[in-house]
Amino acid sequence: DQQVKQNSPSLSVQEGRISILNCDYTNSMFDYFLWYKKYPAEGPTFLISISSIKDKNEDGRFTVFLNKSAKHLSLHIVPSQPGDSAVYFCAGYGGSQGNLIFGKGTKLSVKP
Amino acid sequence: DVKVTQSSRYLVKRTGEKVFLECVQDMDHENMFWYRQDPGLGLRLIYFSYDVKMKEKGDIPEGYSVSREKKERFSLILESASTNQTSMYLCASSFLGGTNEKLFFGSGTQLSVL
Repeated sequence: DQQVKQNSPSLSVQEGRISILNCDYTNSMFDYFLWYKKYPAEGPTFLISISSIKDKNEDGRFTVFLNKSAKHLSLHIVPSQPGDSAVYFCAGYGGSQGNLIFGKGTKLSVKP
Repeated sequence: DVKVTQSSRYLVKRTGEKVFLECVQDMDHENMFWYRQDPGLGLRLIYFSYDVKMKEKGDIPEGYSVSREKKERFSLILESASTNQTSMYLCASSFLGGTNEKLFFGSGTQLSVL
């Protein structure tokens, strides 16, 4: 049973445009959601997070939106840059899990 | 900065060999984790540990074991490597009881089992 779903395996965007990466979850007990970015042959690095009591968190070019009623969150990157090309993982935490639950990832390609 | 160090970036082993993957973190984190990453399957949790000598099974523990003799070190053991264990292995650590369970990952070990 997938508690965190990233239904788009890949996304291609033109440099300078907006990238929107989506994530759905089923576990209503999640307290926090996190986004990680992973380049090939490297470990994931933390990008941005949001508490379940908020609906938006912004950090520079990156904004995460949370819609609790829809159990949906999204990561917006504006403007997109070629260096943003990576795999992005959404993760949820909370309740009885004791550890992060990751989605399968979305590979973002930003074309110059 | 938190540093999570995995002993090898690339490993090639033969089927049936015993394989040790080592991970060390320098931030006195209580929690340590082992994941594997495979294309299309995302990050899957193998084992984790909340304290020295303590371990918990993750989602895919079969074929693996772990050891945590010291707080800073968490080892993943493949008792008898098989080809389906060819994967990228990622170690991670975090504080226990934090309000935001941010994981810090190592650079990963790409294991090939022939």
